[in-house]
Amino acid sequence: AQRVTQPEKLLSVFKGAPVELKCNYSYSGSPELFWYVQYSRQRLQLLLRHISRESIKGFTADLNKGETSFHLKKPFAQEEDSAMYYCALSGGSARQLTFGSGTQLTVLP
Amino acid sequence: KAGVTQTPRYLIKTRGQQVTLSCSPISGHRSVSWYQQTPGQGLQFLFEYFSETQRNKGNFPGRFSGRQFSNSRSEMNVSTLELGDSALYLCASSLAGASDTQYFGPGTRLTVL
Repeated sequence: AQRVTQPEKLLSVFKGAPVELKCNYSYSGSPELFWYVQYSRQRLQLLLRHISRESIKGFTADLNKGETSFHLKKPFAQEEDSAMYYCALSGGSARQLTFGSGTQLTVLP
Repeated sequence: KAGVTQTPRYLIKTRGQQVTLSCSPISGHRSVSWYQQTPGQGLQFLFEYFSETQRNKGNFPGRFSGRQFSNSRSEMNVSTLELGDSALYLCASSLAGASDTQYFGPGTRLTVL
């Protein structure tokens, strides 16, 4: 079975401060991991995926297989980063995305 | 290109009724997945269709069913509605499935009274 855990439901940081949204997963094989984001009144959309190893809007995420984690990081948070962030996992032939419960990030001015 | 569309956007039904929701994927996308989103359970996978075939199904009762047409449009049906079925139902399309970028629709808000 595959499971994704996001331990923080709410996270508040001040503008310019570093931010880290935690994601831990449980999966016996080699997973594919994603971060999806939902800005206010917008659709859920892909932010980044581990396989592409790119930085989107200043965010990065590194897959740590030893710790089974895929934390999302940004060195300097901006107010426009305020949104709901979901970590998701796709494993093997499952052909389904398993989502974490989400973290609501608020960046304070 | 046009995004994923879902109809209707809002729906109010009573217990025991049935409902059909529709999803039109992005042109060229052959995979359509459905999710139920509730405050308590978050985003839960319902099922995925690819080229008219259901490839995977989540842990939901048989009252939840779906289908996909030759033009990749998909419908999901919920029979004998229960109060607990009140939720936002999201569909997502992609080129080939879960490993590809999912493009989500705006959702259908179902309220069961």
